[in-house]
Amino acid sequence: DIQMTQSPSSLSASVGDRVTITCRASQSITRFLNWYQQKPGKAPKILVSGASTLQNGVPSRFNGRASGTNYTLTISSLQPEDFATYYCQQSYTTPFTFGPGTSVDIK
Amino acid sequence: QLQLQESGPGLVKPSQTLSLTCTVSGGSVGTITDYWGWIRQAPGKGLEWIGNVWHSGQTYSNPSLKSRVTISVDTSKNQFSLKLSSVTAADTGVYYCAKGFGDPHYFDYWGQGTLVTVSS
Repeated sequence: DIQMTQSPSSLSASVGDRVTITCRASQSITRFLNWYQQKPGKAPKILVSGASTLQNGVPSRFNGRASGTNYTLTISSLQPEDFATYYCQQSYTTPFTFGPGTSVDIK
Repeated sequence: QLQLQESGPGLVKPSQTLSLTCTVSGGSVGTITDYWGWIRQAPGKGLEWIGNVWHSGQTYSNPSLKSRVTISVDTSKNQFSLKLSSVTAADTGVYYCAKGFGDPHYFDYWGQGTLVTVSS
């Protein structure tokens, strides 16, 4: 199975901060990397697919990038509604695997 | 707007079979470009992919669940289902059904999730 790691596991930030979350795959996944946002008690929501394609309706402050087997999700200016847990997921091959998540909370 | 709704028992006894159904509205499980998946989340934990089913009935499931998983699709009812046999307390969690977009693969619509507790 392809193992996904995320860093940091949690972070505290203020409204307006720039935040970057990193996801790494244990092998090449050729940009088959998705990012989801999950708020407490809710289902995950797709933010970015294919490493860098922003989904319809997702604010442009979210940005996904790929560099080798490293993938980043950046929120350029954190908003109150962005406090949530973020998961990366590889869809290169089954079994699809998720990263352990990064919790973003209010400083 | 596509919507998915999970249904099934919220309490299952150990060693029994967990059975859930996902009803799709606003779309069709017969759409060629889409597939249908199950993902679960143990309390306070991360997401675990269980498996997918295509409109043809072809399935892919997580080897970590070995042969306990059966996923099927019923195009006449616009539903797909999950059966997980020989459950233990480790199978307790929120179970989500979701629609997968075929290329590239990602889950773009999710049900609200249903909590299944395995307990005697």
